Amino acid sequence: QKEVEQNSGPLSVPEGAIASLNCTYSDRGSQSFFWYRQYSGKSPELIMSIYSNGDKEDGRFTAQLNKASQYVSLLIRDSQPSDSATYLCAVKRNNNNDMRFGAGTRLTVKP
Amino acid sequence: KAGVTQTPRYLIKTRGQQVTLSCSPISGHRSVSWYQQTPGQGLQFLFEYFSETQRNKGNFPGRFSGRQFSNSRSEMNVSTLELGDSALYLCASSLARFSTDTQYFGPGTRLTVL
Repeated sequence: QKEVEQNSGPLSVPEGAIASLNCTYSDRGSQSFFWYRQYSGKSPELIMSIYSNGDKEDGRFTAQLNKASQYVSLLIRDSQPSDSATYLCAVKRNNNNDMRFGAGTRLTVKP
Repeated sequence: KAGVTQTPRYLIKTRGQQVTLSCSPISGHRSVSWYQQTPGQGLQFLFEYFSETQRNKGNFPGRFSGRQFSNSRSEMNVSTLELGDSALYLCASSLARFSTDTQYFGPGTRLTVL
């Protein structure tokens, strides 16, 4: 079992729709969770971080964390073509800067 | 504030050679982590340096090594290059005060081994 698993996709949604990206992790000691966006040929850039159970909203993005289910998700509302990218879920154990990444989900938003 | 910088951006080497990659973190960041990204394996953690000491290490062979200088700049070295070492090498810097501190990535070095 991989430490961090994501739906590999590709995920295709129409412009204006909600895109839902999911991630599960195996290490119950994980404390910090991050969503990065990576455009083709570019490096990952941080979208959201979440540390406590529940929802965290930032503009069109909402991260959801459920530690009991070892599940973290990212919702993108009003999806735009510029959101088309690979989304990486990353998990970090407490006091350990070693981040474990999922394989990424490729999202395509069609105009 | 300037972001993370990496040099060189592109590199072509042949099997058996060695290579050194450089990373300059965001000013004030003391932690530098290195990652390898390939289409098959995704993003994999190589190692982290904090205050000139290797603090964490991923599951890579000893051909991969690194170091950090007193100004927090870091170098990564790969000896005896293999074809499978062709990848995007990313460094990320963070304050590393708390586990919640975010890592910020540089643009990466694209290494091609022929």
